[in-house]
Amino acid sequence: SQQGEEDPQALSIQEGENATMNCSYKTSINNLQWYRQNSGRGLVHLILIRSNEREKHSGRLRVTLDTSKKSSSLLITASRAADTASYFCATDAGGGADGLTFGKGTHLIIQP
Amino acid sequence: GAGVSQSPRYKVAKRGQDVALRCDPISGHVSLFWYQQALGQGPEFLTYFQNEAQLDKSGLPSDRFFAERPEGSVSTLKIQRTQQEDSAVYLCASSLVWGNTEAFFGQGTRLTVV
Repeated sequence: SQQGEEDPQALSIQEGENATMNCSYKTSINNLQWYRQNSGRGLVHLILIRSNEREKHSGRLRVTLDTSKKSSSLLITASRAADTASYFCATDAGGGADGLTFGKGTHLIIQP
Repeated sequence: GAGVSQSPRYKVAKRGQDVALRCDPISGHVSLFWYQQALGQGPEFLTYFQNEAQLDKSGLPSDRFFAERPEGSVSTLKIQRTQQEDSAVYLCASSLVWGNTEAFFGQGTRLTVV
C-alpha cells in the first residue's frame, strides 16, 4: 500500500516558472526522500531530508518537511523543459530493512 | 559498473510461465531492494537484502515470488506460474550502506503477462 499522497497529481507550467509539489504521509518517519522518474526510465534520487530537519536545498531544489503535519513540499525554481518528469516522495519509517514507501507521484510538464 | 543494471529490459510471458529477472547492483553496495511499479503508480516494496541475507520479504505478493542474492552481489527475482496481475515494471535499487539512504535505481524490467 502507498503511504504518501502527492498533490497535485499533475501540474503543467511554463518554462521559467516555479513548480511546487506537496506530499503527505501517515506514519512517523526517519527520513523523507524525493525522486524523479522520466518516462520509461528508472528513478533518480534528488534529495533526502531527515526527520529533525525542516528545510534543505540542492541547486534549484528546495524541500521542506513539517513532521507535525506529516507533510513535505518540493519546490523547483526556474523550471526547464528537462524537468518534465514524474516526482515521487518516499518515506523511510526507520526500520531500515523494510524499504521506502512511495506515493503515487506528481506528473510535471514544463511547457517551452 | 557505473550504475544498477537490470535484465531483460522487457519480458513478455505467457500466463503460467516462470520468469527470472536479474539485477546487477553497483559494486560494493551492501543493500539491495526490489520494487514493483504498476502503471501510473509509485513503486511498492517487495524485498530487501543486506549482502546475501534477505532481511525482509514482507512485500512479496505471494509464494510465487522468490528472490535471492547468493553471493551478496547479483540478485534474481523469480516469479513462478505468472498471472496477468503480475504485469508491472520491476525495479531494483542498491545503496552503499544498510537501510534507506540514497538509493540508486536500475531502469527496470517491464513484465507483460499475456
